[in-house]
Amino acid sequence: SQKIEQNSEALNIQEGKTATLTCNYTNYSPAYLQWYRQDPGRGPVFLLLIRENEKEKRKERLKVTFDTTLKQSLFHITASQPADSATYLCALTYNFNKFYFGSGTKLNVKP
Amino acid sequence: GAGVSQSPSNKVTEKGKDVELRCDPISGHTALYWYRQSLGQGLEFLIYFQGNSAPDKSGLPSDRFSAERTGGSVSTLTIQRTQQEDSAVYLCASSALAGGYTGELFFGEGSRLTVL
Repeated sequence: SQKIEQNSEALNIQEGKTATLTCNYTNYSPAYLQWYRQDPGRGPVFLLLIRENEKEKRKERLKVTFDTTLKQSLFHITASQPADSATYLCALTYNFNKFYFGSGTKLNVKP
Repeated sequence: GAGVSQSPSNKVTEKGKDVELRCDPISGHTALYWYRQSLGQGLEFLIYFQGNSAPDKSGLPSDRFSAERTGGSVSTLTIQRTQQEDSAVYLCASSALAGGYTGELFFGEGSRLTVL
């Protein structure tokens, strides 16, 4: 089955810097890759979707890249703010029937 | 309501008891998912319902777990003879398969199950 790896160590950065989170997968490339944000005690909230034929997707301060050769997605938050502190999950799906989630990376943005 | 509603938000039970967790999806959403999240872990797929099709039960960890969805809306996840390893947050999500679909899953706040 698909194995998804996200850095289990928390990422600590200073406010205003760019945060970069990594998502690696092992099996054949999915058709779609998503990123979600999860706050403590809450359900995940959808942020972005990128398709296998797209190299990059942007939304406001967020940017996602998808490299099917490296089997990797990078998630960037530019001009980070303390309010961006949360756990970020990547999810893969081939047909929207089943979504495979990583364990998430916790981001701490310090003022 | 406007979002996915789950109940109870917290459930403490004794080992061996049965529990039922309820999910009320967003109105009109045809797809419904159950996931389990253990402390510090990712979301583990349990089951997927899509319209009137047979559910994908491939993620259910044992025959103690079952789920149903009545009338294409409310879903109930039942865990029989609970074990301590069943302790986790059970998340429900719904989705609308429509034009311009982004695959966005709308999650509820989860039901935290603790088995003593």
